Amino acid sequence: GAVVSQHPSRVICKSGTSVKIECRSLDFQATTMFWYRQFPKQSLMLMATSNEGSKATYEQGVEKDKFLINHASLTLSTLTVTSAHPEDSSFYICSARQYNEQFFGPGTRLTVL
Amino acid sequence: QKEVEQDPGPLSVPEGAIVSLNCTYSNSAFQYFMWYRQYSRKGPELLMYTYSSGNKEDGRFTAQVDKSSKYISLFIRDSQPSDSATYLCAMSAANDYKLSFGAGTTVTVRA
Repeated sequence: GAVVSQHPSRVICKSGTSVKIECRSLDFQATTMFWYRQFPKQSLMLMATSNEGSKATYEQGVEKDKFLINHASLTLSTLTVTSAHPEDSSFYICSARQYNEQFFGPGTRLTVL
Repeated sequence: QKEVEQDPGPLSVPEGAIVSLNCTYSNSAFQYFMWYRQYSRKGPELLMYTYSSGNKEDGRFTAQVDKSSKYISLFIRDSQPSDSATYLCAMSAANDYKLSFGAGTTVTVRA
């Protein structure tokens, strides 16, 4: 099946710093990628849809100035959490669309101290 | 009412048993149906993908879709301890690639 990678897998940072998470489709090109957030024992919450070469579409309640998304190529999307605070600590997962299927990355666990 | 309803469990079965998982949905526009498996602290892994009513089989996994009843199922035959995970149903409408997820069902297969 299609493979999606994320980097880093885990990051710990101080409050106020910015963190960049990369999502790559390794063996296919993805015009659309998605960013999710998942809290413990809960399902995935869609944050934004990232389309190659255009601005991301954010879900209601997601601050676009705080969660910056860039989809500069057909295989790479990045999520930058700006001025991170402890409440931003979570598990962030990306997915990449191939035809009508979505393939997920392994996730990035962000801990903000 | 949520768009997709899934019993969160937990579900515990002995090794070798059949695991039965279900989701119901309310949006008649949903056309694509998926089942994902998620191990703790990992991303979801696509298990099954269907787009029409009926059955689809892949090894020990069978997915069923009944669009008239807005009901989908996943069966796991000859369950193994390695099948212990959270199973998420997901669905999307035609030309709308955003997925609507169920809450996920946590399954434990006892050796």
